[in-house]
Order: sequence, then C-alpha cells, then structure tokens
Amino acid sequence: DAGVIQSPRHEVTEMGQEVTLRCKPISGHNSLFWYRQTMMRGLELLIYFNNNVPIDDSGMPEDRFSAKMPNASFSTLKIQPSEPRDSAVYFCASTSTGVPSPLHFGNGTRLTVT
Amino acid sequence: AQKVTQAQTEISVVEKEDVTLDCVYETRDTTYYLFWYKQPPSGELVFLIRRNSFDEQNEISGRYSWNFQKSTSSFNFTITASQVVDSAVYFCALSEAKTGANSKLTFGKGITLSVRP
Repeated sequence: DAGVIQSPRHEVTEMGQEVTLRCKPISGHNSLFWYRQTMMRGLELLIYFNNNVPIDDSGMPEDRFSAKMPNASFSTLKIQPSEPRDSAVYFCASTSTGVPSPLHFGNGTRLTVT
Repeated sequence: AQKVTQAQTEISVVEKEDVTLDCVYETRDTTYYLFWYKQPPSGELVFLIRRNSFDEQNEISGRYSWNFQKSTSSFNFTITASQVVDSAVYFCALSEAKTGANSKLTFGKGITLSVRP
C-alpha cells in the first residue's frame, strides 16, 4: 500500500504568495485530516473531511486558509496570502470511519515563508 | 474539552536502560480512544498503539509496553532495554468516540527521547 502521499516535501515562498499543499489519502480511506506542527503549538488539527465533506474546520487559523477535497483521492490546503507565521510542517492523514482506526500520516510538507 | 498532558519534555537515557513516558488525559466522554505515535528524526508520524476506554488491560509488544489506568487518567508507555533507534519524539493522543469523529485526535506536546550509546 502506498501510504498517504503529500507534495511538495518542502516549500519555500515569500510572504504574500499563495501556497498550495497537496495530499493523496490511502485508497479506501474516507476520512482525511490536515494537521499543522510547530514548536510553539505542537500538533494542531486544522480541518477534517468525512466522505469528501468538511466536518470541522474550527482549527483553521483564519480566512487565509482554505481546504478542499474534490474527490476521495485528493485534497488541497491553500494559504493565500502566506505569512511568516505560517511556517510549519503540515501533515495530512487518512483513516476509515466506523470502528476507530488509527490515523495514517503522510511525511508532511515543511513550509517556510520568508 | 479534551486535553493531553505530557509533562516530561525531554528524557535522555543510556542504551539498555528502561524508560517510561508519561501521559495524562482529560475528557468528559465515557468512551474514548488513546494513542501513542512516534516521530523519528526523519519527521514522519508512526502509529504505535490504540486503546479504547473500556479496555484497561496492559499491552506488551516486544520491548514496548503500555499501562492504561482510568482511575488516574493515565496511559504510560515504557520502553525496555532502550536502543539508539528509539530516539524520537513520542506523542500521546486522545480521540472522541462519536461516529465520524472517532479519529479526531488531540495530541500532547510530545516527549523527546534521546538514547545515548
């Protein structure tokens, strides 16, 4: 099984630019999560989807952040415009609903906004 | 609100020592799930274990063991005979048990374990 695939692995951009992070969940999984990891705040849930529908986006920092899941095999997290404080590692994870199963994480995207 | 506290931030041990990583949680749910994840220096998050709130049996997997005690809201993780490859950040996490939300994890801050040769 391929695992959760995130791209790019690293992204360096200038303040004000638009950033798009991509995620392909494990085939057959119907829940997808976006987490952000920083030294100060640790791992924070930004948003999650069940069956491509956003269920809880209360962790999205502000309107500059948006996430979509147009189909079961693809999701994006967009930041527009980006700011230096958005620098973090962004993880995507997937799992199946029903009997609780563990989250399977991608390798993350390390975002640096200068 | 749910909360996970990992009071230890950094632990350093010498190889072959046993080490216990503490985790204390808070939740108002009667049904919930607890997890441990490992984040090695390469950065990925690796699932180690999941327990549900109705199962307080301790679990052993090789050198790893977990002690779940509802009375003290703790879910501690012990590594026996630690090895250098165990060096990583270890996260304890808690999830709700509601349908559709059973994998929404609240993570602790993590414990950085360094195992010296």
